Amino acid sequence: SQKIEQNSEALNIQEGKTATLTCNYTNYSPAYLQWYRQDPGRGPVFLLLIRENEKEKRKERLKVTFDTTLKQSLFHITASQPADSATYLCALDRGSYIPTFGRGTSLIVHP
Amino acid sequence: EAGVTQFPSHSVIEKGQTVTLRCDPISGHDNLYWYRRVMGKEIKFLLHFVKESKQDESGMPNNRFLAERTGGTYSTLKVQPAELEDSGVYFCASSQDPLVVNEQFFGPGTRLTVL
Repeated sequence: SQKIEQNSEALNIQEGKTATLTCNYTNYSPAYLQWYRQDPGRGPVFLLLIRENEKEKRKERLKVTFDTTLKQSLFHITASQPADSATYLCALDRGSYIPTFGRGTSLIVHP
Repeated sequence: EAGVTQFPSHSVIEKGQTVTLRCDPISGHDNLYWYRRVMGKEIKFLLHFVKESKQDESGMPNNRFLAERTGGTYSTLKVQPAELEDSGVYFCASSQDPLVVNEQFFGPGTRLTVL
């Protein structure tokens, strides 16, 4: 069956360091991969989209890589800040424009 | 510009009762989506409207769930009769034509508790 895996354990890092979150998937051939941020009591907020033929995408302090051979995406936040603390969701889309979400990884940035 | 709004923010009902959730999309967004997150699980797709038409309702769990979008503006999701397993957070999202801009904007969600 199709599976999207994100680390269920929270990632704790120190302010100023780079946070790296992982999204692995199996039995899936996504056309797009998206990353969302979700804060408690709020809906997900779209951050970045990367296509299957793209290796890397950047937006300000965010960088996403997409390796369709390894079936993995890495999400990096450089120069992390306490305000970056949130849950980050990976979502895959086979081209139907309906994302299939992972459970998310919580990031905690300590001052 | 106002974002996607949902009402109510919380609803607590007893098993067997009926609940209606409402979603107001961003003005001008023809595409409207409903999702649900059950505790401890991932967000799952329920259905997709384009204007007033149901484009994809493959995620609707059963016929106790009825979604409508009369006039192609706001949408309602009715659960009748509610069961314990319907508890969770129901999210609505809207977008422009995804062929043009593949980005959905989510509302804050409605937390439904069925006792």
